[in-house]
Amino acid sequence: EVQLVESGGGLVQPGGSLRLSCAASGFIFSSYWMSWVRQAPGKGLEWVANIKEDGGEKHYLDSVKGRFTISRDNARNSLYLQMNSLRAEDSAVYYCASGTTPYSRYNWFDPWGRGTLVTVSS
Amino acid sequence: EIVLTQSPATLSLSPGERATLSCRASQSVSNYLAWYQQKPGQAPRLLIYDASNRATGIPARFSGRGSGTDFTLTISSLEPEDFAVYYCQQRFNWPPLTFGGGTKVEIK
Repeated sequence: EVQLVESGGGLVQPGGSLRLSCAASGFIFSSYWMSWVRQAPGKGLEWVANIKEDGGEKHYLDSVKGRFTISRDNARNSLYLQMNSLRAEDSAVYYCASGTTPYSRYNWFDPWGRGTLVTVSS
Repeated sequence: EIVLTQSPATLSLSPGERATLSCRASQSVSNYLAWYQQKPGQAPRLLIYDASNRATGIPARFSGRGSGTDFTLTISSLEPEDFAVYYCQQRFNWPPLTFGGGTKVEIK
């Protein structure tokens, strides 16, 4: 069964840091672009970042550039999001999602994990 | 950045009725548009990709059409499990990958 399981969310003060993880199983993780997508409470979906299957290409939402870093460890079938200088507006459920076509940057998001909640508040 | 505008924001319908959801792009996205369904407390699920292709396991009552800037998701006859929020998403021009604001299909 294809599965993505996020962890690492929690309550953090403004300006603080958090590292999210996503453990993948049931598919060849190293063949797919991976993404982080977030959803603020009661709001819509917002793509945050993605990374090529070999980690050699990364892209970010403008509002997180310079603060967030996406990475992956294909040996551990894991995706990460290092979040620094957190702001209240970063509060959201963060989902990891896989691309749908191996070795392709032109992807849809499927499957998704269940998400991990990040709350930035003093 | 390509902006996707979904309408209506809320659609109130009864089981068995037909639902028609709209997604309009600020510039052409060719057919590179997908639709997702999200139920409360759950992750989104891919329904339609490349504007008109159903994802694996998606019932035939879901259909998508359109190209360029105007797209439609149709649910031919609403089942109780179809009441949810639906999002469109484009991958024609990125970054950023963008989503529409969502349409909530609620029970009338």
